[in-house]
Amino acid sequence: ELLQSGGGLAQPGGSLRLSCAASGFVFSSFAMSWVRQAPGKGLEWVSSGSHSGSRTHYVDSVKGRFTISRDNSNNMLYLEMNSLRDEDTAVYYCARVRRPSSAFDSLDIWGRGTLVIVSS
Amino acid sequence: DVQMTQSPSSLSASVGDRVTITCRASQDINTYLSWYHHRPGEAPRLLIYAASLLHSGAPSRFSGSASGTLFTLTINNLQPEDLGTFYCQQTHTTPLIFGPGTKVDL
Repeated sequence: ELLQSGGGLAQPGGSLRLSCAASGFVFSSFAMSWVRQAPGKGLEWVSSGSHSGSRTHYVDSVKGRFTISRDNSNNMLYLEMNSLRDEDTAVYYCARVRRPSSAFDSLDIWGRGTLVIVSS
Repeated sequence: DVQMTQSPSSLSASVGDRVTITCRASQDINTYLSWYHHRPGEAPRLLIYAASLLHSGAPSRFSGSASGTLFTLTINNLQPEDLGTFYCQQTHTTPLIFGPGTKVDL
């Protein structure tokens, strides 16, 4: 299971941190991803991080502004979002990469999502 | 970047129908293709991975196939709970692009 928290309202240029608590599997063995859905839009992959956290990948629109990280000792995944823009408004989902130790694969377990609204 | 297109963008079908959705990649992605179902207000659910393998727990009425860069999701015996939007996603190279989605109405 993935239990999400964080999110809410932020001003343009502001910051937010999303959290995702994992349970029911060996968190440290799986890469994790963040996916978002803007209002009225489709799914957009945002970021992925390896099971160790040493390798990270981002969609171009968030590079340099968002940081994916994890605490394997506490089974936690994070997305630090800085310099927020109106277009970052979306429901953000954390998700587990299906194959253990694989950097990229299908996303087989998803959180329920958390809403981020960027508005002045 | 690999671009993904889906067809149709929406469709209306009846319970019991057979539905086919296609997804095309702009370049070779081997079989690094997944299908998801997303109902409003819920988390997306994985249906098919590696283009044709049924994810554990996904109903057997869902199947996937591949031919080059063209991928197909088939739903046999459409059920009321299948309404929502279906997305393909390539996991060959970053960015891990999702297709634009196919909205299914019943």
